[in-house]
Amino acid sequence: AQKITQTQPGMFVQEKEAVTLDCTYDTSDQSYGLFWYKQPSSGEMIFLIYQGSYDEQNATEGRYSLNFQKARKSANLVISASQLGDSAMYFCAMSNQETSGSRLTFGEGTQLTVNP
Amino acid sequence: DGGITQSPKYLFRKEGQNVTLSCEQNLNHDAMYWYRQDPGQGLRLIYYSQIVNDFQKGDIAEGYSVSREKKESFPLTVTSAQKNPTAFYLCASSTVPGAEAFFGQGTRLTVV
Repeated sequence: AQKITQTQPGMFVQEKEAVTLDCTYDTSDQSYGLFWYKQPSSGEMIFLIYQGSYDEQNATEGRYSLNFQKARKSANLVISASQLGDSAMYFCAMSNQETSGSRLTFGEGTQLTVNP
Repeated sequence: DGGITQSPKYLFRKEGQNVTLSCEQNLNHDAMYWYRQDPGQGLRLIYYSQIVNDFQKGDIAEGYSVSREKKESFPLTVTSAQKNPTAFYLCASSTVPGAEAFFGQGTRLTVV
């Protein structure tokens, strides 16, 4: 079965600095997708970035980049130039076509706090 | 504007009652999902549907039921068999299974 592990329950960063949120995954599938979502205190889930297992380049979306290391099965999110509005819960997720019908599996999340 | 609408935002249920949470999308997405989130935890999949008139159980389907009679609608019923239904419920949809999912605002259900 697929599994997502986020080992950092909470992270703190100073405004304007970069921060890395860790995510490791476990799957036997060759084809899968990796996602990061942001959940502010309001509860909505906001899609940030996607990486496919066959993508050779690391995904980037504005201040977000995904550090994809396939051999280590890690998909860390890097947020550059942190802003106060980045304070939120962040979830890593994975979809697997072969074993789970492409349903998304989520990690436990990391609570990020950006300090002024 | 295209999006996913969940209603109501807050819902209170007496023990022994069934309640239905609404989820409507106008994104023309094929796949729809229901997740449950408990405080300080990640999302757990309840049910998902890849096409109309078809749905599959997720990891925690016991005590829940769904229907998918229309492409844009995927209501979730929390039955009296669900022993601990107090949680935050999120509905999502994606163009195809496995693509990025778009979420609704969520429904916070409390048993009183």
